Amino acid sequence: ETGVTQTPRHLVMGMTNKKSLKCEQHLGHNAMYWYKQSAKKPLELMFVYSLEERVENNSVPSRFSPECPNSSHLFLHLHTLQPEDSALYLCASSQGIENEKLFFGSGTQLSVL
Amino acid sequence: QKEVEQNSGPLSVPEGAIASLNCTYSDRVSQSFFWYRQYSGKSPELIMSIYSNGDKEDGRFTAQLNKASQYVSLLIRDSQPSDSATYLCAVVSGGYNKLIFGAGTRLAVHP
Repeated sequence: ETGVTQTPRHLVMGMTNKKSLKCEQHLGHNAMYWYKQSAKKPLELMFVYSLEERVENNSVPSRFSPECPNSSHLFLHLHTLQPEDSALYLCASSQGIENEKLFFGSGTQLSVL
Repeated sequence: QKEVEQNSGPLSVPEGAIASLNCTYSDRVSQSFFWYRQYSGKSPELIMSIYSNGDKEDGRFTAQLNKASQYVSLLIRDSQPSDSATYLCAVVSGGYNKLIFGAGTRLAVHP
């Protein structure tokens, strides 16, 4: 247990659905991240939040919408996704934006039909 | 685009042998380097960090860094079947203080 909890673990959705991924960290960290992991590809950084403020938006399509209501919670809202968006979505946290040691959640395996 | 390159494997080694995992990176000004281990179906877990040229040892793991050659490696001594996993190399990209990951090398340790 890393102290970073993600729900749901698995999600199947159609291209017209709207769903949300949730991440919660119990480590007292100030920075939170969303990563996308596709088969045989490197982890791709999507968004970075520091003290609830978005500091990085890595050219992610607008069908992915992050939300960080406080330093312990992070959401990724999904709408009108494409089949190529099927991947493992990983949440991570670190003590601060300058601290590169990431603690990852277990991920949400997303399938878009 | 800053890149981190790893051989995808699988790298197959017998139990008790030394496993050598390699990584090259393109950003010359990178100063921080990490190895993460990811078991199948699990999330990545940090196992080593290295910041200076040379070797850094932690138990059975040794990280090696050569900034001139833009090369970082991970040695696992006395490999065990429980070491079978994908090993991700990660580099902090110089101007952005964000991690760039390689695609990972799959290691298989057979009894």
